[in-house]
Amino acid sequence: GIQVEQSPPDLILQEGANSTLRCNFSDSVNNLQWFHQNPWGQLINLFYIPSGTKQNGRLSATTVATERYSLLYISSSQTTDSGVYFCAVERDYGGSQGNLIFGKGTKLSVKP
Amino acid sequence: SAVISQKPSRDICQRGTSLTIQCQVDSQVTMMFWYRQQPGQSLTLIATANQGSEATYESGFVIDKFPISRPNLTFSTLTVSNMSPEDSSIYLCSVERLLDTEAFFGQGTRLTVV
Repeated sequence: GIQVEQSPPDLILQEGANSTLRCNFSDSVNNLQWFHQNPWGQLINLFYIPSGTKQNGRLSATTVATERYSLLYISSSQTTDSGVYFCAVERDYGGSQGNLIFGKGTKLSVKP
Repeated sequence: SAVISQKPSRDICQRGTSLTIQCQVDSQVTMMFWYRQQPGQSLTLIATANQGSEATYESGFVIDKFPISRPNLTFSTLTVSNMSPEDSSIYLCSVERLLDTEAFFGQGTRLTVV
C-alpha cells in the first residue's frame, strides 16, 4: 500500500518562530489533507490540497504531486499551534475506496 | 464542510462489556468511515460503513468485534464488543460528501477500558 512519511516527528519552537513540516508519499494521490489534532483529540481540517498552494492566515501549504511531497508552513507560531499535525492521502488508482491513509504525524510544541 | 455529531465524547467501560458510538451528519453524505487511534499513534481505518449493506472491514478488524450499522445516508454506529484494555483508544467517524472529496471528522470518542 501507499506509504506516508512525515518529518520531523517532533518539533519544539519558541513562540514567534517559523517552521516547515514535510509529508512524502510513495504513490500518486487524488486527495491530500493536512490536519491539526488538538489536545482533546479532535481533528481540525487545515488544508485540502492534492496539488498547488493554499494559504490561510499564518498557515500555508504546497503540494507538488509530480514529486510526491507536500509542505505545511507555520509562520509566527503561537502556543495554540501546539499539537499533532497529520498529513493524510487517498491513493489514486482508479478504484478509489475513498479512505485516507495517515502519516505518523509531527508533534509540535510551541513554548512561550 | 459537514457538521458531524459523535456521541459519546468519552467513556470509561468495564472489560467484557460493549459500547456503541453514534455518528450523525447534518446532511447526506456518500462515504462514511470509522477510524481508531491508539494512544500515541496515528489513525488506522477500521471499516467503511456502507448504506444498507454490510460494512467493508480492513485487515485486522472483524465484524464480530466491531459491528457497524448505517441505516441511512446521515447516520452510522460503531460498536466495540467484549472490550479489553487494549481497546482503549480514540474512535473517530469520518465523512465525505462524494468519493474523492475533502474528508471531515467527528470530534472523536475517547474510550478507556478498565
